This record gives sequence, C-alpha cells and structure tokens, in this order.
Amino acid sequence: SQTIHQWPATLVQPVGSPLSLECTVEGTSNPNLYWYRQAAGRGLQLLFYSVGIGQISSEVPQNLSASRPQDRQFILSSKKLLLSDSGFYLCACTGPYEQYFGPGTRLTVT
Amino acid sequence: GENVEQHPSTLSVQEGDSAVIKCTYSDSASNYFPWYKQELGKRPQLIIDIRSNVGEKKDQRIAVTLNKTAKHFSLHITETQPEDSAVYFCAASTGGYQKVTFGIGTKLQVIP
Repeated sequence: SQTIHQWPATLVQPVGSPLSLECTVEGTSNPNLYWYRQAAGRGLQLLFYSVGIGQISSEVPQNLSASRPQDRQFILSSKKLLLSDSGFYLCACTGPYEQYFGPGTRLTVT
Repeated sequence: GENVEQHPSTLSVQEGDSAVIKCTYSDSASNYFPWYKQELGKRPQLIIDIRSNVGEKKDQRIAVTLNKTAKHFSLHITETQPEDSAVYFCAASTGGYQKVTFGIGTKLQVIP
C-alpha cells in the first residue's frame, strides 16, 4: 500500500515570506496527488490535484501554487505568505478506491 | 461535479448512546462512499466504506447504510465511548483512482 511522506511536520513563518512544502509517495506509480488545507476546526479544502508530471489543476484561486517535478513528488509553494494561509496542510493520493493521507504539515503564519 | 452535504456539523452524545451522521451526494455516478475519522492534530483515517452494490455494512460498533435511490448514506456508531470523540468526514467517489469529494465534517463529542 501507499506511504506518504510530508515535511516539514511543523513550520512557523512570518507574513510575506516564501513557502515550500514537500510530499513524496512510496508504493505506487503514477499516483493522483492532492493538496488539502484544513483551517483550525474546519473541513478539508482541496487546493490542487495532479494526475501526472507537470499536470496541475487548481481548485481555489489564491496565492499558492503547486508543482509536480517527478512522478511521486508534489510540492506546494507560495511567494508571499498571508496570515490566512495558516492551517494544517495534507498531501493525499488515491488508491483503487480510498484516499490516503500523509501526516500533514502544520503551518503557522505570524 | 460531485457535491457532498453532511450533517450535523457538531454532535454531543452521552457515553453508551448511539450517534448518527448523515450525508447526501449529488452525482449518480458515485459508487464508493468512505468514512474517515480525524483525531485532533492527526490525519484523517479510513474507518469504514461501502460500495454501491451493498446497502449496509457493519464493523463491530460502526455501521454504514446507503440508499442509492435517495442518494444518501449514514454512519451509525453504537455504544459510544470517549475515544470515539473526533471529527468524522463522509465522502463520495466514482472509484478507479478518481477524486474523492468530502463533506464538511461532523465533530462528535462523547461525554463520559
């Protein structure tokens, strides 16, 4: 089965600073990959998904971007963080049916 | 695209009582309905799922029911325990590695 790695686990960044979160997947090839954000006490907001290298679909327009430079690598970036970017960022991939989640990165923008 | 509605958003029950969470979906092509449990600070984890060729599935104290005609499905937890306290998400998908659409989540509190 798939294993998803995310790093860093926690991050504190000032407003206006750049961001780079990384996700890698083991145990599968050509996975569909997803980035979700979860604000405190809220649901799962789908940010981006990718069906292959270089193929990115954006679900919500905002100051974030995503890239998929390799088959099992998915990166979430920002040039300038906003306070509203604080949250729990989850990388995920889909199996034949269910969706698997990585351990998440908790981002606090100060 | 698919739209999944979930209610209630919060639910408090006494330990030992039952809890029911209900969801509806919009896309008749959806045929896979998982439920996830998310404990505080952790990732969502699959706890049970049901496919469209099945009307009900049970695993110990949890059960899911599906009504494809009405496009709704439910999670039932019996004999609730404090460790059942968490946020529960329903979801719908067409399977085949496709995108999973989640409900907004239900925060369940089991009061000892």
